[in-house]
Amino acid sequence: QVQLVESGGGVVQPGGSLRLSCEASRFTFSSYGMHWVRQAPGQGLEWVAFIHYGGNNKYYAASVKGRFTISRDNSKNTLFLQMNSLRAEDTAVYYCAKDFGDTRLPGIFDSWGQGTLVTVSS
Amino acid sequence: DIQMTQSPSSLSASIGDRVTITCQASQDISNCLNWYQQKPGKAPNLLIYDASNLETGVPSRFSGSGSGTDFTFTISSLQPEDIATYYCQQYDNLELTFGGGTKVQIK
Repeated sequence: QVQLVESGGGVVQPGGSLRLSCEASRFTFSSYGMHWVRQAPGQGLEWVAFIHYGGNNKYYAASVKGRFTISRDNSKNTLFLQMNSLRAEDTAVYYCAKDFGDTRLPGIFDSWGQGTLVTVSS
Repeated sequence: DIQMTQSPSSLSASIGDRVTITCQASQDISNCLNWYQQKPGKAPNLLIYDASNLETGVPSRFSGSGSGTDFTFTISSLQPEDIATYYCQQYDNLELTFGGGTKVQIK
């Protein structure tokens, strides 16, 4: 079945940058939109960003707009999240998630990675 | 943003009980509503999409209903493996939002 493996998490100082990756396999990556969703320690889920299958259309949560950039490399089956100007409130486990696809509006997360922890602290 | 109000925030029930969780949207979202299960230390897992469609491989004791602003998620007979936190999530627009979660425990 679908496999999604995140990497790139770690500890970073406030104001710093980090780039997350999500390597996809066992499905046709280039045919599906992809999301990043995060979860602060002990808290609920928060959608972060979405990118269409072709990479041309991108959408962001208001809390990260202008600081985070979602991108993808379909030749390498990899999704990215570039995170700049990081704040303490960005501390969370970051999950990549595959969109259900077909003709529906984007927004059904039908497969998830195991997550990577980002800690923003001095 | 569309606010999703989920209740209760936690519940305790016995094995075999019927469990019901509600989710209310701050505006009409048609049937653009999903339910996820998250076990401790694990990623969430899609159970129900489009308010009432059971995801492939998900046991039939899970079900969902509703449209517009009011939605219900039901476990018809609670099993030990159902101990988890459950989240609703709307996708009426691309400011996707989740409910606050319901932690289900065994009494």
